[in-house]
Amino acid sequence: DGGITQSPKYLFRKEGQNVTLSCEQNLNHDAMYWYRQDPGQGLRLIYYSQIVNDFQKGDIAEGYSVSREKKESFPLTVTSAQKNPTAFYLCASTDARRLNYGYTFGSGTRLTVV
Amino acid sequence: SQELEQSPQSLIVQEGKNLTINCTSSKTLYGLYWYKQKYGEGLIFLMMLQKGGEEKSHEKITAKLDEKKQQSSLHITASQPSHAGIYLCGADGPKNRAWGTGTASKLTFGTGTRLQVTL
Repeated sequence: DGGITQSPKYLFRKEGQNVTLSCEQNLNHDAMYWYRQDPGQGLRLIYYSQIVNDFQKGDIAEGYSVSREKKESFPLTVTSAQKNPTAFYLCASTDARRLNYGYTFGSGTRLTVV
Repeated sequence: SQELEQSPQSLIVQEGKNLTINCTSSKTLYGLYWYKQKYGEGLIFLMMLQKGGEEKSHEKITAKLDEKKQQSSLHITASQPSHAGIYLCGADGPKNRAWGTGTASKLTFGTGTRLQVTL
């Protein structure tokens, strides 16, 4: 079955370290997104990518970086510049060629700074 | 940028009771999505509304988009413990999707409504 796979499910980071969260989809979707969710809050957009080798900053891009070398993959790196990285991270994708097409979400990665 | 406000922020209802969650947008809604989330998990798609006055139902959940396309409501009839979770509304911006250019829009979310269903 097609879907989005995020890994790992839980991730622990020491202060000053960079960590990379994986997001892979086999839905043949061209657009992919990264969201951050803090306790009791909704989702905030970090980065999104419309096509391979292209991506745009979302509302809270500072301290994060992404790459889109393959259509199936959209990894997110949380850098040491992100001062409060502890959060739940969700990846999503959609078929940007089709109007009013839904968004599919992964199961998320919970990042904790130790 | 578009802002979505959900109300109430949290809700506790007794099993079997009906409830309504509202989502109000600061701008016209081009596409309004309702998702459900269990704590620590991904989002499960419930429904999408696009046209003013549109109403969709799935099992005991009904969602409506008002005529002016700036407010949506989610109504659950005869709530069950399985309905517990966080309900999120999401809004699409205006789209210009052309083949090969991939000008996808951003999906913006409301703050969420936490629903608890007591026995």
